Amino acid sequence: QSVLTQPPSVSAAPGQKVTISCSGSSSNIGSTFVSWYQQLPGTAPKLLIYEHNKRPSGIPDRFSGSKSGTSATLGITGLQTGDEADYYCGTWDNSLRTYVFGTGTKVSVL
Amino acid sequence: EVQLVESEGGLVQPGGSLRLSCAASGFIFSTYWMTWVRQAPGKGLEWVANIKQDGSEKYYVDSVKGRFTISRDNAKNSLYLQMNSLRAEDTAVYYCARTPPAGHHDYWGQGTLVTVSS
Repeated sequence: QSVLTQPPSVSAAPGQKVTISCSGSSSNIGSTFVSWYQQLPGTAPKLLIYEHNKRPSGIPDRFSGSKSGTSATLGITGLQTGDEADYYCGTWDNSLRTYVFGTGTKVSVL
Repeated sequence: EVQLVESEGGLVQPGGSLRLSCAASGFIFSTYWMTWVRQAPGKGLEWVANIKQDGSEKYYVDSVKGRFTISRDNAKNSLYLQMNSLRAEDTAVYYCARTPPAGHHDYWGQGTLVTVSS
C-alpha cells in the first residue's frame, strides 16, 4: 500500500484540462522533490515533471506540476487522445528511506 | 543518446534465483545513482532498490531486504539485481532507471519480465 495517494481515474473531453492530485506527508512530499511519470499502455514509464515543476526537454508545456505543503498536483491542459495513460507521482520518503510512487491515476479522454 | 537495456528475465521456480543486468550507454555511468523499479501485472510501480555512484550506499524496499542485492560495475557500465528466494509476488516487469541528484528517474530501460511460478 503506497504512502502517496492519487485518484484512481480522471477524465475529460479533448482540449479540456485535468488535474491529478498526489497526497503525502511531511516525510515525503513535505520535505523532498516530487516528480511525475507517464506510462502509456505497454511501455516503460517516462519522466514528465521533476523537482515539483520542471519539465525535461521535449515535454510540452501542456504538462505542469505544483506542490503545496504535503500535496502535489499534475495538470494537463489541451487534453489529447495521446495523453491517455497511467500517471504516477513519486518522491523520496525520509522516514522509510526509500523512494515511493503514488497509487497511479488513469487518464481517459472522452 | 542515453540507453538502458535490461537482460532477459524469465520463468523461475519459487525459491529460485535470477540475476538481472542493465547495460548503460550514452552517459557517464559512474556519476549517477541507479535504481531498479518493478511493476506486477496490472499493478502500479514499485521502487525496489537504488545504489550510489561508487556502490557505497544501497537502499531497498522492505519486501526484498535480505533476498535481493543491487550492485554495479562502473568499468562495465552495468547495473545488477541479484534476486534470491524468489516468491510468486516477485513476478513483475523489472526496469532499471537513471537517478539524478534530485532523486527522480529520468531515463528508463524497456523492462524485463520475471515470472515466479512452479
